[in-house]
Amino acid sequence: AQKITQTQPGMFVQEKEAVTLDCTYDTSDPSYGLFWYKQPSSGEMIFLIYQGSYDQQNATEGRYSLNFQKARKSANLVISASQLGDSAMYFCAMRDRGNDMRFGAGTRLTVKP
Amino acid sequence: NAGVTQTPKFQVLKTGQSMTLQCAQDMNHNSMYWYRQDPGMGLRLIYYSASEGTTDKGEVPNGYNVSRLNKREFSLRLESAAPSQTSVYFCASLYTAFDGELFFGEGSRLTVL
Repeated sequence: AQKITQTQPGMFVQEKEAVTLDCTYDTSDPSYGLFWYKQPSSGEMIFLIYQGSYDQQNATEGRYSLNFQKARKSANLVISASQLGDSAMYFCAMRDRGNDMRFGAGTRLTVKP
Repeated sequence: NAGVTQTPKFQVLKTGQSMTLQCAQDMNHNSMYWYRQDPGMGLRLIYYSASEGTTDKGEVPNGYNVSRLNKREFSLRLESAAPSQTSVYFCASLYTAFDGELFFGEGSRLTVL
């Protein structure tokens, strides 16, 4: 089964600055999808961005971009121009061809004013 | 639109009692999932159903059973609850398209005394 690793339990960033949240993965399947979700303190899961293993370009969605380095098996989330509302838990996830979808342990991001 | 609906939202059980968490989605999704989230931790996959009529174990299946009743409904049963099963349980569903995101229910908070 695939494995997702997020090595940063907590991160701090100054408001309006950019921050990178790390995610590495391990799979033997050449076809997979990578996702990032945000979980605010209210508890709901909010989809942020998707990257397919065959996508040639890094995914972007507004202030979110995914730095996809396939050879290194990393899929880091970059948040530009951080806002106070970005303070939350962030989870990286991977889906394989069999639709098995697993999550990393998460990174708690705190944005400082 | 209802999306993914979980019931109950809160439940307190005594050790050894049984219960079933219900989940239904109205988006015609093929795949459905049950995750658990312990305080301050990531989501761990309990079971999933890639399509109607199939179920597969995830990372932490012990102590749980599931039933994919039809395309809409996927239930999670605890036959003999243990304090270690105190957690927040999330149901989610996913369309077949490989870039489809997971849609989550609001979560069910279970406490086993």
